[in-house]
Amino acid sequence: EPEVTQTPSHQVTQMGQEVILRCVPISNHLYFYWYRQILGQKVEFLVSFYNNEISEKSEIFDDQFSVERPDGSNFTLKIRSTKLEDSAMYFCASSELVTKYEQYFGPGTRLTVT
Amino acid sequence: AQKVTQAQTEISVVEKEDVTLDCVYETRDTTYYLFWYKQPPSGELVFLIRRNSFDEQNEISGRYSWNFQKSTSSFNFTITASQVVDSAVYFCALGGTGGFKTIFGAGTRLFVKA
Repeated sequence: EPEVTQTPSHQVTQMGQEVILRCVPISNHLYFYWYRQILGQKVEFLVSFYNNEISEKSEIFDDQFSVERPDGSNFTLKIRSTKLEDSAMYFCASSELVTKYEQYFGPGTRLTVT
Repeated sequence: AQKVTQAQTEISVVEKEDVTLDCVYETRDTTYYLFWYKQPPSGELVFLIRRNSFDEQNEISGRYSWNFQKSTSSFNFTITASQVVDSAVYFCALGGTGGFKTIFGAGTRLFVKA
């Protein structure tokens, strides 16, 4: 069964450093998303991406964040200068064009900022 | 405003007991989708069910069942004869609300004791 994959599974970085989280969505999916879950809290929407541009973003997704689809398979989330409060689990998701509300989630990347 | 409320923060049951997890949602949209996800201690989000707003039929899948009632804006989840492996955080979520994002509830942590 096709699945969304994410790398790395765990990333540790120092405050102020840039990090790039990588995702490979399901191959025929056209909508891509990032969500964040701070430890012990709910899953929060960050951004959605379609046709090489951001479709929607939340207030969390400020200028420190950017997304990109650098090639036909990867979808990345970049945090320019990490803060302690960026420590969280980051989930990538993707969905097909027609049934775009059925989002398939990846296993997540745990980001720890020290 | 779109919102998902899971009023039960934690539930503790003894194995073989039945348990119901409550979910109440708010949306002004007529077309929307409701989801349940399981998050085991390993952290990934496991998709359990999707329901669209036009389908109020209850669903049963093995020991799991879901009760969708539009009149009360509720989408409750029952686990029959609970098992220790059911211990996890369960999230109810709302999608298709005029945008691309999925809105998650705060989650209910279920402890099933042997």
